[in-house]
Amino acid sequence: KAGVTQTPRYLIKTRGQQVTLSCSPISGHRSVSWYQQTPGQGLQFLFEYFSETQRNKGNFPGRFSGRQFSNSRSEMNVSTLELGDSALYLCASSDPSGRDTQYFGPGTRLTVL
Amino acid sequence: DQQVKQNSPSLSVQEGRISILNCDYTNSMFDYFLWYKKYPAEGPTFLISISSIKDKNEDGRFTVFLNKSAKHLSLHIVPSQPGDSAVYFCAASRGMDSNYQLIWGAGTKLIIKP
Repeated sequence: KAGVTQTPRYLIKTRGQQVTLSCSPISGHRSVSWYQQTPGQGLQFLFEYFSETQRNKGNFPGRFSGRQFSNSRSEMNVSTLELGDSALYLCASSDPSGRDTQYFGPGTRLTVL
Repeated sequence: DQQVKQNSPSLSVQEGRISILNCDYTNSMFDYFLWYKKYPAEGPTFLISISSIKDKNEDGRFTVFLNKSAKHLSLHIVPSQPGDSAVYFCAASRGMDSNYQLIWGAGTKLIIKP
């Protein structure tokens, strides 16, 4: 099976712009979670989508949003970018039998200037 | 409030020796614990897990120990190999459906010296 793919891998934006990141889960996985990773902060949970519905949400401002399509692909959007949004954004998928075991994509490295 | 803590940002171990990575948690409601490994430019990959009803789980060179009374878990790697050099994340989960939480530690960078 193909792994989790994320596009783009690298992105440079300026403050105030918006950005959309894409994630394709492993075939058959219906749950997609998004995380933000910054140095020393570990993985901060953004949100989880399951069957096109947001099932869980972390403590991030409303500028961070997401959606999931009927084929389980997911997108994450960040509006009005701030310098502090510079981070590695990771997407992970899991199958219905094991929500704890997540399969991660390589991430999108976002730099905000 | 960090519910899952990895207090050592980095750890250096000689090849062939034992590597011990530690993780502490504050919420006694966590019922499942996991370790993930991350290489640069890649996403984390699942390594090993343990249920809160057990105190030890072993998989080849990797063993996870859980001490519920101390709210502490550790990952032992024996013997350590150069390919084990990576960042290791500890994670803990609880709840179901919309109450489900998977909380991650900040990670420990393991360096295996030849």
